[in-house]
Amino acid sequence: GAVVSQHPSRVICKSGTSVKIECRSLDFQATTMFWYRQFPKQSLMLMATSNEGSKATYEQGVEKDKFLINHASLTLSTLTVTSAHPEDSSFYICSASRGGSGGTEAFFGQGTRLTVV
Amino acid sequence: DAKTTQPPSMDCAEGRAANLPCNHSTISGNEYVYWYRQIHSQGPQYIIHGLKNNETNEMASLIITEDRKSSTLILPHATLRDTAVYYCIVRVGSGAGSYQLTFGKGTKLSVIP
Repeated sequence: GAVVSQHPSRVICKSGTSVKIECRSLDFQATTMFWYRQFPKQSLMLMATSNEGSKATYEQGVEKDKFLINHASLTLSTLTVTSAHPEDSSFYICSASRGGSGGTEAFFGQGTRLTVV
Repeated sequence: DAKTTQPPSMDCAEGRAANLPCNHSTISGNEYVYWYRQIHSQGPQYIIHGLKNNETNEMASLIITEDRKSSTLILPHATLRDTAVYYCIVRVGSGAGSYQLTFGKGTKLSVIP
């Protein structure tokens, strides 16, 4: 099956610094990728839709200037958490799908555990 | 996307079949039923999906009622590694935007030795 890889899997950073998370589709091209966030004991919440070659679309309540998304190629999207604070500590997950119509599954990265201290 | 309702938790004895129900009474004709699972501290894993007919793959079977208002995911011989949160999601199948998924709270399946 298709593989989506995230890096790093775990990161600890100091409050006020920025952290970049990479999401790669390893064996297919993805014009659209999605970024989710998951707090402890909660479900995944969509943060934004990453579109190759254009601006990302953010969900209501997600600050676009804080969570910078770049989708510069068909196999790579990055999420940068700027000026991180402890409340940004969470599990960040990306997903991507092959193109095509009807009933195609989304593939998820393994997730990135961000801890801001 | 249509809303789904799942029991918050279930237990299953190791080696027995695990039957996980999902209600999606507002599903529309062009929406598929998808199942994903999330093992602790990992990204979700695709299991199976279907539109109208029952489906089976190497992981599980999906039984969809004739009126499509509910479905059941069946893990035929549950193992300890199947302990996870299982998400039932309905969504339109085609187009790039359709790959966005709305996750509910899912069912936490605990497989007991």
